[in-house]
Amino acid sequence: GAGVSQSPRYKVTKRGQDVALRCDPISGHVSLYWYRQALGQGPEFLTYFNYEAQQDKSGLPNDRFSAERPEGSISTLTIQRTEQRDSAMYRCASSSEQEYEQYFGPGTRLTVT
Amino acid sequence: QQQVKQSPQSLIVQKGGIPIINCAYENTAFDYFPWYQQFPGKGPALLIAIRPDVSEKKEGRFTISFNKSAKQFSLHIMDSQPGDSATYFCAAPPDSGGGADGLTFGKGTHLIIQP
Repeated sequence: GAGVSQSPRYKVTKRGQDVALRCDPISGHVSLYWYRQALGQGPEFLTYFNYEAQQDKSGLPNDRFSAERPEGSISTLTIQRTEQRDSAMYRCASSSEQEYEQYFGPGTRLTVT
Repeated sequence: QQQVKQSPQSLIVQKGGIPIINCAYENTAFDYFPWYQQFPGKGPALLIAIRPDVSEKKEGRFTISFNKSAKQFSLHIMDSQPGDSATYFCAAPPDSGGGADGLTFGKGTHLIIQP
């Protein structure tokens, strides 16, 4: 079946603009995770959902970052008033209810100019 | 706050050799330790994972060894091939909660297998 998909794949925005990054998990996966990966580093946890409930948002850097998953499927990560330091690869992963394995999508490369 | 220390940062091995990558973690509430393989321009791909109550897991040429008392686990690649050249990340669950929580990743090991 199809894997995790993310859109857009690339996003260039000007400092101060808001951006919304979308993640479509593997069909049937109840858990959805957002990570941020800097070049040459491992993914850094941001937040995750079980169904539509946000379970942990301790990794969100500040209150400009928010995420939602209103129907327990597609999720959106929103960054308000973007700053240059927000430039990174944003990755989404999902896992099924009975397993712990997380499967990553291709990521969205965000560049803030 | 979970911390994962991965070593070495980079590794060069001749084809057929056995690269070994090590990870150390702090406390976890749940024993689940995956390894991910990442090629340039791609997302991390789950390679192999070990769960509670076992000290070793093999899948093909990849083996995880787990030492719970030392809070360490390692990845061994048998009969390594140039196609194994990639960046490898270990990960660990948080120090509270369950296995479905967000993972903490190591900084990665850049592995090169020379022909």
